[in-house]
Amino acid sequence: QKEVEQDPGPLSVPEGAIVSLNCTYSNSAFQYFMWYRQYSRKGPELLMYTYSSGNKEDGRFTAQVDKSSKYISLFIRDSQPSDSATYLCAMSEGSFQKLVFGTGTRLLVSP
Amino acid sequence: DAGITQSPRHKVTETGTPVTLRCHQTENHRYMYWYRQDPGHGLRLIHYSYGVKDTDKGEVSDGYSVSRSKTEDFLLTLESATSSQTSVYFCAISESAGGRTDTQYFGPGTRLTVL
Repeated sequence: QKEVEQDPGPLSVPEGAIVSLNCTYSNSAFQYFMWYRQYSRKGPELLMYTYSSGNKEDGRFTAQVDKSSKYISLFIRDSQPSDSATYLCAMSEGSFQKLVFGTGTRLLVSP
Repeated sequence: DAGITQSPRHKVTETGTPVTLRCHQTENHRYMYWYRQDPGHGLRLIHYSYGVKDTDKGEVSDGYSVSRSKTEDFLLTLESATSSQTSVYFCAISESAGGRTDTQYFGPGTRLTVL
């Protein structure tokens, strides 16, 4: 079993839809949670960063962490074709940071 | 790409040849990392550095070595390339190892094909 599980997709939605992307994990020591967005043939870019449990909002993006369920989510409101990319979750225990990544979910937003 | 460049961006080589990939940063960040990205596996850490001449192994370090003689440069060497090392290689940097500033920023990647 992988330490971080993420559905590879692709997830196809129409423009304007609310998108929910999720990861589950098995290591209860994870404290830092990140979402990266990766466009085709580009490097991952940091989208959201959350410490411990709770919600964090940034524009159309909301990151949610439920440590009791070992489950994190990224919500995208009013999705746009420019949101079409692969979304990677990542997490670490803290101190010296070794990130553990999910395999990524490919999102396709059609006009 | 947060002041990170990788060279070469694309390389095709033959099995058994040595290959060196270079990561260069202009951010003066202390920590540097090398990852490989493969379908079904996501990003996996190969080696990392926490200062000049200070390096350590990651999850998939077999067949790879690294060197860091200057803050801005981190080299990844495949001593004798194998087809299983065909992958996309990403360099990342982070300012520190604690708190908000430990966020990793990634370079554009190097696509390596070993025939």
